[in-house]
Amino acid sequence: AQSVTQLGSHVSVSEGALVLLRCNYSSSVPPYLFWYVQYPNQGLQLLLKYTSAATLVKGINGFEAEFKKSETSFHLTKPSAHMSDAAEYFCAVSAVGSQGNLIFGKGTKLSVKP
Amino acid sequence: DSGVTQTPKHLITATGQRVTLRCSPRSGDLSVYWYQQSLDQGLQFLIQYYNGEERAKGNILERFSAQQFPDLHSELNLSSLELGDSALYFCASSVFVGRRTGELFFGEGSRLTVL
Repeated sequence: AQSVTQLGSHVSVSEGALVLLRCNYSSSVPPYLFWYVQYPNQGLQLLLKYTSAATLVKGINGFEAEFKKSETSFHLTKPSAHMSDAAEYFCAVSAVGSQGNLIFGKGTKLSVKP
Repeated sequence: DSGVTQTPKHLITATGQRVTLRCSPRSGDLSVYWYQQSLDQGLQFLIQYYNGEERAKGNILERFSAQQFPDLHSELNLSSLELGDSALYFCASSVFVGRRTGELFFGEGSRLTVL
């Protein structure tokens, strides 16, 4: 069965510092992977997705993620954090035999210090 | 704005009661998904409908039911409510069904508090 593990429920960085949010997946088939962001009192918004094309995926707001099959990882990075990046981030994998639904990790809350 | 509309945004009710949450998908989207978000369980997939038919079922309790109407809006019915049902309930929609690469568009959620 598919699963996603996000390491670190809370990550704190200084403004301008590198953002690294970790995601490891388990999948019995080649995975399709997603990162979503949730701002306070809002729904989830897609940041980027990997669908078996380029292993380095660029998303919105300067975020990118690299698919590493050997490490079963799909970590999210941003070179320089901005205050507006403070939010909760979710990694997700598309379910096997899926009708389109996603399996989400437990989320990582990112805080950005001035 | 994702284009997915959920009502009500907030709902407070008592144990044993029944509530209905409503979702209008993005214009043109035929597939609707319901998710429950709680602090201890995270985001859990409940159920999916496509063009009025149930397509996939997740961790949905027997006390919960859903349907999708001919105009494509969907309702999630929660009955015999318990304290543990307090959560944020999200609706999402997508154009296609059966596409693992598809993006889900989420509404802002309905926050249910059971007292």
